[in-house]
Amino acid sequence: NAGVTQTPKFQVLKTGQSMTLQCAQDMNHNSMYWYRQDPGMGLRLIYYSASEGTTDKGEVPNGYNVSRLNKREFSLRLESAAPSQTSVYFCATRAPLEQYFGPGTRLTVT
Amino acid sequence: GENVEQHPSTLSVQEGDSAVIKCTYSDSASNYFPWYKQELGKGPQLIIDIRSNVGEKKDQRIAVTLNKTAKHFSLHITETQPEDSAVYFCADETGANNLFFGTGTRLTVIP
Repeated sequence: NAGVTQTPKFQVLKTGQSMTLQCAQDMNHNSMYWYRQDPGMGLRLIYYSASEGTTDKGEVPNGYNVSRLNKREFSLRLESAAPSQTSVYFCATRAPLEQYFGPGTRLTVT
Repeated sequence: GENVEQHPSTLSVQEGDSAVIKCTYSDSASNYFPWYKQELGKGPQLIIDIRSNVGEKKDQRIAVTLNKTAKHFSLHITETQPEDSAVYFCADETGANNLFFGTGTRLTVIP
């Protein structure tokens, strides 16, 4: 079992460019999450999906969109990247008693 | 919204000593309090958690205590080892089943 996988691992974008961060899980969990992690600020929830076909905003959703493609996949899209979106992005899934995190995507917007 | 405060932001201890990290929360409806360990270049990993009907929980060298009246919970690591060096995050879960994280504590265990 791979658990939670994320692609790419690293990405550099110019301001205004778009990209999609991919997340996939093989744990058969219903809930999936996207967080961003910034120095001194912990992890903040961007969007989450409680089940296939549903998505909801988290604490910091502005500038992002998500798609829950199927039970396995949950993608995060930046339509027009801004330097403030430079961060490490983590995808996670939720079992009844634990969240499992992917290895992260380090995104730099110049 | 929910606010979780975590202290200290950095902590250095000698190998074999104990380490304590403290968190406070604001939402009285919070009912689940996990602690995560994050090693360099990896995602956070759950190390221990506690629910609101329990005051203390232990798992070998780590323990978590919860004081719901004061709205604070703490992580205790005894007999620290160099492999305990990492960033530790507390979190709490409100009724919406979403986690709110503290800002993290970088623990360094000096051999």
